[in-house]
Amino acid sequence: AQTVTQSQPEMSVQEAETVTLSCTYDTSESDYYLFWYKQPPSRQMILVIRQEAYKQQNATENRFSVNFQKAAKSFSLKISDSQLGDAAMYFCACPRGGATNKLIFGTGTLLAVQP
Amino acid sequence: GAVVSQHPSWVICKSGTSVKIECRSLDFQATTMFWYRQFPKQSLMLMATSNEGSKATYEQGVEKDKFLINHASLTLSTLTVTSAHPEDSSFYICSGGTAYGYTFGSGTRLTVV
Repeated sequence: AQTVTQSQPEMSVQEAETVTLSCTYDTSESDYYLFWYKQPPSRQMILVIRQEAYKQQNATENRFSVNFQKAAKSFSLKISDSQLGDAAMYFCACPRGGATNKLIFGTGTLLAVQP
Repeated sequence: GAVVSQHPSWVICKSGTSVKIECRSLDFQATTMFWYRQFPKQSLMLMATSNEGSKATYEQGVEKDKFLINHASLTLSTLTVTSAHPEDSSFYICSGGTAYGYTFGSGTRLTVV
């Protein structure tokens, strides 16, 4: 069965500093996407970044980047120059069955940003 | 990008009544949409897959007679919680889109009293 594990229930970072959120997953698929979603207090799910498994290059979106280690099935999210608005719950997600859009979510990491 | 509109944002209902939650794809056609449930401070759990023009497929442990899903058009999927009980109180979220990017509705907070 596919699983997604986030081992850090809570993290804290100082404003303007860098923080890395960890995620490991288990899948038997060879072609798949991986996602990080942000859920602020409004509870709206917001896509932060997406990584295609067949691409070796790590995805980057402005201050957000990933460290994708396919062999290790690791997909961590790095947030640079942290801002107060980054405070939220962050979920790592992997589609079940590879390229389908049925997402399996990790348990989440609650990120606090200290001013 | 793909936009999903979900209504209502919150609803309070009496135990034993039914509640309908709507999820609309505003700028794309959704042959498939997904319904999730989220308990406080927990992750999203997939409940069912809504398929346009056919029956929904439910995840193991989800009562299909309790959570009725209808996907009659390419832009509308509905989730009806029938004979609601306090244990059905939760946050329900729909999702649609493509493998390039899944878009979520804003969610519905259901409270059954």
